[in-house]
Amino acid sequence: SQKIEQNSEALNIQEGKTATLTCNYTNYSPAYLQWYRQDPGRGPVFLLLIRENEKEKRKERLKVTFDTTLKQSLFHITASQPADSATYLCALAYTNAGKSTFGDGTTLTVKP
Amino acid sequence: AAGVIQSPRHLIKEKRETATLKCYPIPRHDTVYWYQQGPGQDPQFLISFYEKMQSDKGSIPDRFSAQQFSDYHSELNMSSLELGDSALYFCASSLGRGYTEAFFGQGTRLTVV
Repeated sequence: SQKIEQNSEALNIQEGKTATLTCNYTNYSPAYLQWYRQDPGRGPVFLLLIRENEKEKRKERLKVTFDTTLKQSLFHITASQPADSATYLCALAYTNAGKSTFGDGTTLTVKP
Repeated sequence: AAGVIQSPRHLIKEKRETATLKCYPIPRHDTVYWYQQGPGQDPQFLISFYEKMQSDKGSIPDRFSAQQFSDYHSELNMSSLELGDSALYFCASSLGRGYTEAFFGQGTRLTVV
């Protein structure tokens, strides 16, 4: 079965720095790889989606890369702010939108 | 903008009781997905519906059932509740069956005592 690993459970960085989160999977590449933000006790919020034939996608301060050879996605938050502190989940989808397999998440803390 | 509405937000039930969770998708969204998220765990896909028909099934126990109604809202029925069913249950909706962005609700926190 598919195994998804996200880098260390927790990542602490200083405000203004770039946060880089990784998502590695073991089996066949998904059609879509998504990144979500989740705050405690709340539902995941969709951030970015990248397709298997895309290398990079950007949205404001966010950037996602997808390397199907390495079976890895990197998620970057530039000019990080304390408000970016949350758990970030990567999710793999093979067919349709919401049927995704989620990683365990990485909790990011941005210190002022 | 309207979001996915789930009710109730919190629910406490005793073992062996039955619970019903409701999900109201974003207007015009025809696809609903249910997820279960245990404490400190990632969301696990349970089941999904497209145009009122079950479209995918994940790790949903036989004690659970779900359906999507004519107005596209969905209900997750959980019977013979066990302590291990305590979790956050999320519903997500999307427009269309292919890939489009899925929007999650705030979740229902179910506690089985």
